[in-house]
Amino acid sequence: AQSVTQPDIHITVSEGASLELRCNYSYGATPYLFWYVQSPGQGLQLLLKYFSGDTLVQGIKGFEAEFKRSQSSFNLRKPSVHWSDAAEYFCSFFPLNQGGKLIFGQGTELSVKP
Amino acid sequence: DGGITQSPKYLFRKEGQNVTLSCEQNLNHDAMYWYRQDPGQGLRLIYYSQIVNDFQKGDIAEGYSVSREKKESFPLTVTSAQKNPTAFYLCASSKLQGNEQFFGPGTRLTVL
Repeated sequence: AQSVTQPDIHITVSEGASLELRCNYSYGATPYLFWYVQSPGQGLQLLLKYFSGDTLVQGIKGFEAEFKRSQSSFNLRKPSVHWSDAAEYFCSFFPLNQGGKLIFGQGTELSVKP
Repeated sequence: DGGITQSPKYLFRKEGQNVTLSCEQNLNHDAMYWYRQDPGQGLRLIYYSQIVNDFQKGDIAEGYSVSREKKESFPLTVTSAQKNPTAFYLCASSKLQGNEQFFGPGTRLTVL
């Protein structure tokens, strides 16, 4: 079955600490991968995407993600978290030839301690 | 500024009533999508459309209907047949299938 797993429902980090949010996908090929961020009551904003090429991708707001084919993973990282990063983060992928729909993980809620 | 607008932001409905959620985009995107978001869950696809006058069911289309008469507009009707309509609804669009999707601010629907 095609799916995305985000094992951590809620993570709390201290401001200035590093962050890694985990994402694993289940799909028969290498999909197009995305990370989105959502503030409470808002829509989703794209942080970064991976289509092909360099497996380390840079995004907005200082985020990066690394695609590891052998682990079917696409973990999101940030070296130093800011209080404004508190939000919900969604990993998703686009399976080819399925009308453009995105398959989303359940989301990881990030809290930032002062 | 280009973007996606959804209205209203909050919507209340009595049981048994149909209600229509608006989604408009001025990004000149061909494809548009409707997702439903429930607490603690990811987004689930309701309907999508790749061209005008054509649309396809997503994973949870039962109790919903859509139309795509104009490229810019993709309204979603939540019918009385939808058993549990209280949720946050997000509209998105993209240039083509497989491109990144841009999301609107969402409509929170509550059934009283």
